[in-house]
Amino acid sequence: DTEVTQTPKHLVMGMTNKKSLKCEQHMGHRAMYWYKQKAKKPPELMFVYSYEKLSINESVPSRFSPECPNSSLLNLHLHALQPEDSALYLCASSLQGPSGANVLTFGAGSRLTVL
Amino acid sequence: DAKTTQPPSMDCAEGRAANLPCNHSTISGNEYVYWYRQIHSQGPQYIIHGLKNNETNEMASLIITEDRKSSTLILPHATLRDTAVYYCIVRVVRGNRDDKIIFGKGTRLHILP
Repeated sequence: DTEVTQTPKHLVMGMTNKKSLKCEQHMGHRAMYWYKQKAKKPPELMFVYSYEKLSINESVPSRFSPECPNSSLLNLHLHALQPEDSALYLCASSLQGPSGANVLTFGAGSRLTVL
Repeated sequence: DAKTTQPPSMDCAEGRAANLPCNHSTISGNEYVYWYRQIHSQGPQYIIHGLKNNETNEMASLIITEDRKSSTLILPHATLRDTAVYYCIVRVVRGNRDDKIIFGKGTRLHILP
């Protein structure tokens, strides 16, 4: 299995809703990432998990809450979002290790619309 | 990590070689050059990476200048499916250390029929 799977592909939510995005990989990768991408802009790093521990938080607002239950799964919990949070949310993973070139493998993304 | 500069857009005729430049004049000795591309509405896809030697794989070739201040990604026979945004990234390979992999604005490559 050489894929990163993201669900759902599309999500529409209101500003008072609580929802979650899910990401899964079975490549034995030990680093997992969340990126946010607005239209016609490059992906922006949000969070990095390394060996199931949060290692980088790029000053992301607390209405985004990441969780890494195990080495294969990464969640992004969403609560009280704003319309400007509408974007494509990309998950990626990489093989973290002494010999790894740490090439990122990306999922297809979850397109989020906040009404 | 060093910054990169890429042209915002380029055109290339189908079947010709597409040469995408990247300037990374502040690159340091332990920083690698990586290329990714993103086809519309998909996640970015890894293409190739290198340190100082030229590299080739089934997708592309990477030519790094001797002073390592710039590089060129070459798609030898471009097809319509190569239309995408191409990102050049320089970063240190830290092994077990955390990775901040930051995307610049990239080059939007249009392959023309």
